[in-house]
Amino acid sequence: DAMVIQNPRYQVTQFGKPVTLSCSQTLNHNVMYWYQQKSSQAPKLLFHYYDKDFNNEADTPDNFQSRRPNTSFCFLDIRSPGLGDAAMYLCATSREGLADEQFFGPGTRLTVL
Amino acid sequence: AQKITQTQPGMFVQEKEAVTLDCTYDTSDPSYGLFWYKQPSSGEMIFLIYQGSYDQQNATEGRYSLNFQKARKSANLVISASQLGDSAMYFCAMRDNFSGAGSYQLTFGKGTKLSVIP
Repeated sequence: DAMVIQNPRYQVTQFGKPVTLSCSQTLNHNVMYWYQQKSSQAPKLLFHYYDKDFNNEADTPDNFQSRRPNTSFCFLDIRSPGLGDAAMYLCATSREGLADEQFFGPGTRLTVL
Repeated sequence: AQKITQTQPGMFVQEKEAVTLDCTYDTSDPSYGLFWYKQPSSGEMIFLIYQGSYDQQNATEGRYSLNFQKARKSANLVISASQLGDSAMYFCAMRDNFSGAGSYQLTFGKGTKLSVIP
């Protein structure tokens, strides 16, 4: 089945230790998104790619970076995680039409010690 | 200004009963799309149903239907014959041409936590 895969599902890191989360898709969608979701809150968009064009949200901290080496893969790098970065990180993909839903991966739950 | 409003932080429904989850939205764009997602405790966001601003009929998908009242700017989700597995967080979301670069961005409401009681 076509899907969005995120690895790992759970990630524990130490304060200040860089961490990379990965996302892959078999849907061949040209738009990919990274969201941060804290407990009992709505997902917050960090950035998205349209093909290789990177779009950063204005309030996304510089601590968060992303790479998309090809259509299928996208990475979220957190350069120096702080305690406030502990959250669920959701990857999603879509086509570009207004009516096209976003398909989400299962998420990576990040714990910062 | 908040674009998506979900006024019910939590809802309870008896198993096999119907439940309506409220969503109001705000946009000046005549072309927009409304989405509902379900998020179980496992964390994955599951797409449920879509309504386009120009759609003449209310969207339906199995037990899910959308009560779309354009003049009131509301897009309420109706779940019929509730099941225990429907217990989850439900998010209403909108995309319009003002959402962000290329109009790809979804704006989410704060969500409603639905609990189905046996």
